[in-house]
Amino acid sequence: EAEVAQSPRYKITEKSQAVAFWCDPISGHATLYWYRQILGQGPELLVQFQDESVVDDSQLPKDRFSAERLKGVDSTLKIQPAELGDSAMYLCASSPLGTTYNEQFFGPGTRLTVL
Amino acid sequence: AQSVTQLGSHVSVSEGALVLLRCNYSSSVPPYLFWYVQYPNQGLQLLLKYTSAATLVKGINGFEAEFKKSETSFHLTKPSAHMSDAAEYFCAVSYGGSQGNLIFGKGTKLSVKP
Repeated sequence: EAEVAQSPRYKITEKSQAVAFWCDPISGHATLYWYRQILGQGPELLVQFQDESVVDDSQLPKDRFSAERLKGVDSTLKIQPAELGDSAMYLCASSPLGTTYNEQFFGPGTRLTVL
Repeated sequence: AQSVTQLGSHVSVSEGALVLLRCNYSSSVPPYLFWYVQYPNQGLQLLLKYTSAATLVKGINGFEAEFKKSETSFHLTKPSAHMSDAAEYFCAVSYGGSQGNLIFGKGTKLSVKP
């Protein structure tokens, strides 16, 4: 069964350092999402891509966060510099184009701890 | 703004007892509705979805949910809890289309006592 892949699964870093997370969506899925999930909360959308284009990055803290999906397949989310408040689970999801109800398939996530 | 409310951040049941997790949405337009489950340090797995077909939706692992437009609710139930059901459950809504986002509730942590 096809799955969304993410790496690393866990990342510990010190504040002011740069970190990067990678996501490979299910093959053929045009839409890719990055979510941030703070402990005890539901996921919140950071950025949405359709193919290589950003559809929604209104909640992405652009002073320190960046995201790209250069070839419209896999994607990288970067934080530079990391802050203590960035400690969270970062989830990637994908969905195929053309689904009316926008069902999304999630990867296992990257747990970030900023010390 | 559209929102999802999950009543009860923590629900505890005994093994074999009924599981009821509550979800209400705020919208005059019926959305598409989803329940996801999340085990510790893992991603979200889809349990079931309502996409405007049958109002009673059956999902995986014996869970089901009923869409009630008059109550703007989509509560999740399971007749008999298993220890393996202990996890966090998230209700989410979407308003569809290729640019539609999922809006999540804050989650309900389910504990199952032996």
